[in-house]
Amino acid sequence: EPEVTQTPSHQVTQMGQEVILRCVPISNHLYFYWYRQILGQKVEFLVSFYNNEISEKSEIFDDQFSVERPDGSNFTLKIRSTKLEDSAMYFCASRQNALHFGNGTRLTVT
Amino acid sequence: AQKITQTQPGMFVQEKEAVTLDCTYDTSDPSYGLFWYKQPSSGEMIFLIYQGSYDQQNATEGRYSLNFQKARKSANLVISASQLGDSAMYFCAMSPLETRGSYIPTFGRGTSLIVHP
Repeated sequence: EPEVTQTPSHQVTQMGQEVILRCVPISNHLYFYWYRQILGQKVEFLVSFYNNEISEKSEIFDDQFSVERPDGSNFTLKIRSTKLEDSAMYFCASRQNALHFGNGTRLTVT
Repeated sequence: AQKITQTQPGMFVQEKEAVTLDCTYDTSDPSYGLFWYKQPSSGEMIFLIYQGSYDQQNATEGRYSLNFQKARKSANLVISASQLGDSAMYFCAMSPLETRGSYIPTFGRGTSLIVHP
């Protein structure tokens, strides 16, 4: 069964550094999402992407965040200058009807 | 605005018994989808089951069934014949079903299920 894949599974970075989280959505899905989950808390929407542009974004998705679909398969989330509070699990998802998640990237900012 | 409420922060069940995890929702959208996800301690989000608001029958997937009561705005997950591997966090989610690409699933706070041997 096709699945969403995310890399890396774990990323440790120093405060102020840039990170790029990578995702390969399911190939025939058209809608892509990034969510994050701070440890022990709820799953929070960051941004949705459709037709090669951002369709919606939350208040969390400020100027330090950006998304790209650099080619036909990859979907990336860039955090420009990481802060301690960016430490979380970041999930990529894609959908036709139901949202299918990748296994997540656990980001730790030290 | 959408709202998902999971009132049970934790649930316990004996192995092989059935358990119901509660979920209520609030939305003004005429058409919407309801989902349940399982998150084991390893952290991944596993899709379990989907119910469309216009589906006539309750969704079932193996040991999972969704008790959808539209008038009460509830979408409870029933797990039959619980197994030790069912121990996990369970999240209820919903989204409007719109055609313009705006489709933002909203998640509840989750219910932690522990299955006892």
